[in-house]
Amino acid sequence: NAGVTQTPKFQVLKTGQSMTLQCAQDMNHNSMYWYRQDPGMGLRLIYYSASEGTTDKGEVPNGYNVSRLNKREFSLRLESAAPSQTSVYFCAGTSGGAAGTQYFGPGTRLTVL
Amino acid sequence: RKEVEQDPGPFNVPEGATVAFNCTYSNSASQSFFWYRQDCRKEPKLLMSVYSSGNEDGRFTAQLNRASQYISLLIRDSKLSDSATYLCVVPPGGSYIPTFGRGTSLIVHP
Repeated sequence: NAGVTQTPKFQVLKTGQSMTLQCAQDMNHNSMYWYRQDPGMGLRLIYYSASEGTTDKGEVPNGYNVSRLNKREFSLRLESAAPSQTSVYFCAGTSGGAAGTQYFGPGTRLTVL
Repeated sequence: RKEVEQDPGPFNVPEGATVAFNCTYSNSASQSFFWYRQDCRKEPKLLMSVYSSGNEDGRFTAQLNRASQYISLLIRDSKLSDSATYLCVVPPGGSYIPTFGRGTSLIVHP
């Protein structure tokens, strides 16, 4: 039982490059989330998926897109990376409508030069 | 008023001390409350949940004060390993979106 996994763990991009952050869970979570965490800013929600087949914007969606490929996988795409997107990205999942009970992946540390 | 507010600290305490953090929230419809622990450069992990007046787990006690709209986390007999950032989470009633506080930093020194 791997829980919530994220790939890659680290990534360096140049401005304008694109990439996809992968997230997968084997905990049967209905809802999945993407957050970014910056120093002094706390966790900010980028996008979430309440259930398979649905996605919605969070607090800071600009510059990102997501895909809920199936119940297990929820990916985050940066189409044209900018230095302001340098951050630590966390994926999380939850079940049963208990939005406060979240299980996080280990994070992806992204630097955009 | 921000939805969820925490004192960022740091709270600097000696081993064995008792320390408490508060978290205030603005949405009176919230029914459940959570404390997470986040170690440096790691992911947040659920520490405790609070659904009614309080919850206790070993050295950790979480209390809810609905009238004043805050929750607290009390840590007794602090250990060096308790050094971390403690995040308060308050999901608005019926929402899929939890609201995270920015966290309170705790440093326990010998």
